[in-house]
Amino acid sequence: DAGVTQSPTHLIKTRGQHVTLRCSPISGHKSVSWYQQVLGQGPQFIFQYYEKEERGRGNFPDRFSARQFPNYSSELNVNALLLGDSALYLCASSLRGTLWETQYFGPGTRLLVL
Amino acid sequence: GESVGLHLPTLSVQEGDNSIINCAYSNSASDYFIWYKQESGKGPQFIIDIRSNMDKRQGQRVTVLLNKTVKHLSLQIAATQPGDSAVYFCAESIGTASKLTFGTGTRLQVTL
Repeated sequence: DAGVTQSPTHLIKTRGQHVTLRCSPISGHKSVSWYQQVLGQGPQFIFQYYEKEERGRGNFPDRFSARQFPNYSSELNVNALLLGDSALYLCASSLRGTLWETQYFGPGTRLLVL
Repeated sequence: GESVGLHLPTLSVQEGDNSIINCAYSNSASDYFIWYKQESGKGPQFIIDIRSNMDKRQGQRVTVLLNKTVKHLSLQIAATQPGDSAVYFCAESIGTASKLTFGTGTRLQVTL
């Protein structure tokens, strides 16, 4: 079975631009979460979606937004990119996004903002 | 906000030895703890988890111990192999498993 997939794998943007990152969860998983991982640090929670509804949001500015589609795939959008947005963006999926469920991570999208 | 932290940034062990990676957490209300392994250029890979109502859980070559009294979590890897070389993160969750709080990680280096 395919795991969590993300696209693109790498991306280079300049300051002020907009970026869209995509994630497909494991088949049968209805919850998707997004994390930002800055080099040398642990991942930080950005969003969680379940059944197309936002269930949780981390401490990120409004430049970050996301949505989930009827097929449970998800997009993360970042507007007005800053140099500090350079990071590995990880998507994780789980069955329902409830407590004690294992979250499975994708390989990530590495974003470089110049 | 409260976060999960790790005692040692780098741990070097010889192949065949046992490894112990430690983690301190600060939120006594945490319900669920998970260890992830992250290899270079890859996403975190689930290793083992433990609920707050347990103090020990074993998997294949791995054991997680939870001491709620001192808010300490550890991952034990038996007979460490070169393929175990990676960065290990502990993560905690309160109320919903999808909002994981990660520490900064410990790099495990396995020497031959």
